[in-house]
Amino acid sequence: NAGVMQNPRHLVRRRGQEARLRCSPMKGHSHVYWYRQLPEEGLKFMVYLQKENIIDESGMPKERFSAEFPKEGPSILRIQQVVRGDSAAYFCASSPGQGESYEQYFGPGTRLTVT
Amino acid sequence: SQKIEQNSEALNIQEGKTATLTCNYTNYSPAYLQWYRQDPGRGPVFLLLIRENEKEKRKERLKVTFDTTLKQSLFHITASQPADSATYLCAFSGSARQLTFGSGTQLTVLP
Repeated sequence: NAGVMQNPRHLVRRRGQEARLRCSPMKGHSHVYWYRQLPEEGLKFMVYLQKENIIDESGMPKERFSAEFPKEGPSILRIQQVVRGDSAAYFCASSPGQGESYEQYFGPGTRLTVT
Repeated sequence: SQKIEQNSEALNIQEGKTATLTCNYTNYSPAYLQWYRQDPGRGPVFLLLIRENEKEKRKERLKVTFDTTLKQSLFHITASQPADSATYLCAFSGSARQLTFGSGTQLTVLP
């Protein structure tokens, strides 16, 4: 059973470009979460999605950031017009999202560097 | 707002000893408190979950306690090994499933 997959693992973008980060949850998981880990800081929640629905985006900056989890295909975190401060590791996690399964399973992360 | 704090940034212990990591929170007790392990360059890995109505949970050499009076969780690794060296994160969640993480404790087990 494959774990959570993220790609690319490393992404370099120049200031002003767009970054697209992809996440495929574990098989059977219908809930996806995105977290950001800035250098020397802890993991911070960004957004929580189910298929075709954003459940909670309270941790996501209002501008330039968007996320989706379509009916088919991976979840996408999109950052428009990137700035140096967006350089971080972005982790996706998934969970079954039902019953008492509150633990989350994380992918390896995408390390975004903005030059 | 709810805050979660891990007291030690770094902890060094001798192989074979028990490592004890602390996680404190303010305000209300979370419904679920979780512990994760993170190795450099990797995503966190789930270890244990304890509910607010549970006192203790065990899994192999790991033990978690949850004291809602002290607003504290302790995470123990018995018979520690160099392979246990990593950053350990506590996190809480409630009815909202997203996790709020502490800043982590970097554990080094010395051979």
